[in-house]
Amino acid sequence: DAGITQSPRHKVTETGTPVTLRCHQTENHRYMYWYRQDPGHGLRLIHYSYGVKDTDKGEVSDGYSVSRSKTEDFLLTLESATSSQTSVYFCAISEIGFRVGNTIYFGEGSWLTVV
Amino acid sequence: TQLLEQSPQFLSIQEGENLTVYCNSSSVFSSLQWYRQEPGEGPVLLVTVVTGGEVKKLKRLTFQFGDARKDSSLHITAAQPGDTGLYLCAGGGGATNKLIFGTGTLLAVQP
Repeated sequence: DAGITQSPRHKVTETGTPVTLRCHQTENHRYMYWYRQDPGHGLRLIHYSYGVKDTDKGEVSDGYSVSRSKTEDFLLTLESATSSQTSVYFCAISEIGFRVGNTIYFGEGSWLTVV
Repeated sequence: TQLLEQSPQFLSIQEGENLTVYCNSSSVFSSLQWYRQEPGEGPVLLVTVVTGGEVKKLKRLTFQFGDARKDSSLHITAAQPGDTGLYLCAGGGGATNKLIFGTGTLLAVQP
């Protein structure tokens, strides 16, 4: 298994509160991603990083921010959580980004419930 | 917006049966990947196909990329309970140059 650790694994929070999810990798991969998974939508890319302090938006980035101060850590922050952000969040890593032949490794997921 | 539609959404079959899952899009992709996800875990890559018409086999699983690189299929022969899970297709190198995931097919194989 790829060395990816997500924390927390489960969290319940109230609407309007800030939430930070952490992803830690031990593979030294350049690319890191945050996806959310919702029924009927598959996995949707929130943000990704292609190096320390280098990040870009995905298809559902509104309401989310990210930071990557070290190669091994990628943080996802919900500045003011809303019920629509209740989801399962997956961190993923890869060596070569969005290119043919790329293999993406996923973490085990973080279940977030906003009440 | 690029979309990858998978069908069927849900499939419940008996052990030993054959099945096919489809992944369709109106967009052209440079590559198509299939993942399997088990409950409480992240998706795991099964295969990548990159050439139109390409067929790859992984034991009892056969993957095909459409000639026009807009669709793909996954065929499982003699399904086993261990095949149970969520199957996701993902297209790469399309208009957005990101990896776009399909809506998923939830497969349950009953013993």
